[in-house]
Amino acid sequence: LAKTTQPISMDSYEGQEVNITCSHNNIATNDYITWYQQFPSQGPRFIIQGYKTKVTNEVASLFIPADRKSSTLSLPRVSLSDTAVYYCLVGSTDSWGKLQFGAGTQVVVTP
Amino acid sequence: NAGVTQTPKFRVLKTGQSMTLLCAQDMNHEYMYWYRQDPGMGLRLIHYSVGEGTTAKGEVPDGYNVSRLKKQNFLLGLESAAPSQTSVYFCASSYLGGSNQPQHFGDGTRLSIL
Repeated sequence: LAKTTQPISMDSYEGQEVNITCSHNNIATNDYITWYQQFPSQGPRFIIQGYKTKVTNEVASLFIPADRKSSTLSLPRVSLSDTAVYYCLVGSTDSWGKLQFGAGTQVVVTP
Repeated sequence: NAGVTQTPKFRVLKTGQSMTLLCAQDMNHEYMYWYRQDPGMGLRLIHYSVGEGTTAKGEVPDGYNVSRLKKQNFLLGLESAAPSQTSVYFCASSYLGGSNQPQHFGDGTRLSIL
């Protein structure tokens, strides 16, 4: 499984856009990039996944450049409820079952 | 829709005691997992199951046993609890088994071993 590197923490104010970049230099051809969100006292929650280019859903956008060695999770107009730890993971159907969570990025949103 | 439910939510044990953590999912998922999460660290896989009646070791299996007698339930047992097993335990399930497959997590069991 490809190793991922992401910032330990990020601070933001309400209404701003938060961009978290994850580095995965050793990503394999079959690997997808997946992001999870974890609130205090809760389990991680899947928020978005992509393979290349851009993916958008009701929660976030995921930008993946052509070389796929990094990806950026974008949270538009954050609110206090977006304060959470965000994990970037890389894996494929071939690398069965084991999600490799790193320490994640602690995002703190303040008024 | 309950998703993944873990019981109990909190438990305090003495060293040497045994207990079982229960995970139940109502999504008809084949794959189920047990993780532990320690402060400042990501989740580490303890054991997993690819279907009813099957179990397999993950990254940190020592000191734990599991059983999957019914498709919807995955039990994690501690035969003789040790302080090093103080952690938050998460159960998860997925429809398919690849590491790119979204996993659905419960809200965790906070276990303290004194």
